[in-house]
Amino acid sequence: EPEVTQTPSHQVTQMGQEVILRCVPISNHLYFYWYRQILGQKVEFLVSFYNNEISEKSEIFDDQFSVERPDGSNFTLKIRSTKLEDSAMYFCASSGASGRGSYEQYFGPGTRLTVT
Amino acid sequence: AQSVTQLGSHVSVSEGALVLLRCNYSSSVPPYLFWYVQYPNQGLQLLLKYTSAATLVKGINGFEAEFKKSETSFHLTKPSAHMSDAAEYFCAVISGGGADGLTFGKGTHLIIQP
Repeated sequence: EPEVTQTPSHQVTQMGQEVILRCVPISNHLYFYWYRQILGQKVEFLVSFYNNEISEKSEIFDDQFSVERPDGSNFTLKIRSTKLEDSAMYFCASSGASGRGSYEQYFGPGTRLTVT
Repeated sequence: AQSVTQLGSHVSVSEGALVLLRCNYSSSVPPYLFWYVQYPNQGLQLLLKYTSAATLVKGINGFEAEFKKSETSFHLTKPSAHMSDAAEYFCAVISGGGADGLTFGKGTHLIIQP
């Protein structure tokens, strides 16, 4: 069964450093997403990506964040200058349908980012 | 705008007992609703979805949920709890097109007592 994969599973970085989180969505999906879950809190939407551009983004997704689909399979989230409050689990998701259809978002296992 | 409220951050039931996890939503347009489960140190797995077809939706692992528009609810149930059901459960809503992000509730931690 196709699944979303994410690497690394755990990333430790120092405050102010840049990190890139990687995701491989399900191959025939059209929409790609990033979410984050701060420890003990709910899952929050960051950004969606369709047709090689950002479709929607939340207020959390500020200028320090960027997303890219550098090739036909990878989808990345870059945080330019990490802060302590960026420590969280980051989930990638993908969905297949276009338009207002019966789409489901399939989630990867997450990358736990720890900023020290 | 859309929102989800999950009543009860923790629910404890005995093995074999009925599981009821509550979810109420707010949406300005007809919503699509989802339940996800998160086992410890794992990602989110889709349990079931409501997409304006049947109001009673059956999912994996014996779970089902009923969409009640008049009550703006989408409660999750399972007739008989199993120890393996212990996990975090999230209700989520989406109202727009495919590019919209899911709005999640805060989650309910289900505890199964032997």
